[in-house]
Amino acid sequence: AQSVTQLDSQVPVFEEAPVELRCNYSSSVSVYLFWYVQYPNQGLQLLLKYLSGSTLVKGINGFEAEFNKSQTSFHLRKPSVHISDTAEYFCAVSRQGGKLIFGQGTELSVKP
Amino acid sequence: EAEVAQSPRYKITEKSQAVAFWCDPISGHATLYWYRQILGQGPELLVQFQDESVVDDSQLPKDRFSAERLKGVDSTLKIQPAELGDSAMYLCASSPRKGRTSGTGEQYFGPGTRLTVT
Repeated sequence: AQSVTQLDSQVPVFEEAPVELRCNYSSSVSVYLFWYVQYPNQGLQLLLKYLSGSTLVKGINGFEAEFNKSQTSFHLRKPSVHISDTAEYFCAVSRQGGKLIFGQGTELSVKP
Repeated sequence: EAEVAQSPRYKITEKSQAVAFWCDPISGHATLYWYRQILGQGPELLVQFQDESVVDDSQLPKDRFSAERLKGVDSTLKIQPAELGDSAMYLCASSPRKGRTSGTGEQYFGPGTRLTVT
């Protein structure tokens, strides 16, 4: 069975500062990895995904994530955040096209 | 750009009443998912359809929840009777058939239905 742990429930950060949202996963088989963003009272929007190949994945809105197989991690980063990045971020895994297993979410709060 | 449609966006109901949610996936998407997201938590799968067939309903509380996708297109999720603990966001997602376009597990989410049971 797969599981996902997001290590921080809340991350406050000042505008234009860098941010890292941490995600660890466990699985006995190969998985696909995803980061989704959710704005208040909305559905989830895909930020980026790792399927195979290069371990550094670039997504929308300036976000990137690095897959680390030995650490079983998939941390999300952005070098300079904006107020508009304030949202809930979810890390998720799936077994090659199956259901998504989500972490508990990290609330990113960007302050001016 | 094609989107997953859901209705209603918000629903308030009293406990013991029946409630139903509707989802229309992106055209051509064979796989449809219903997730439940309790406030402060990540979404959890309730049921997964491949065309009109259920492929995973292991987490669906079958004594009160039912889901159907009769023609393999749109889907309805029903709760009867609703309980206070059912208050949550109900999210529908769809993905293309494996092996076509992107059999990568990427799922496209609708805006959700926020249910409040009083």
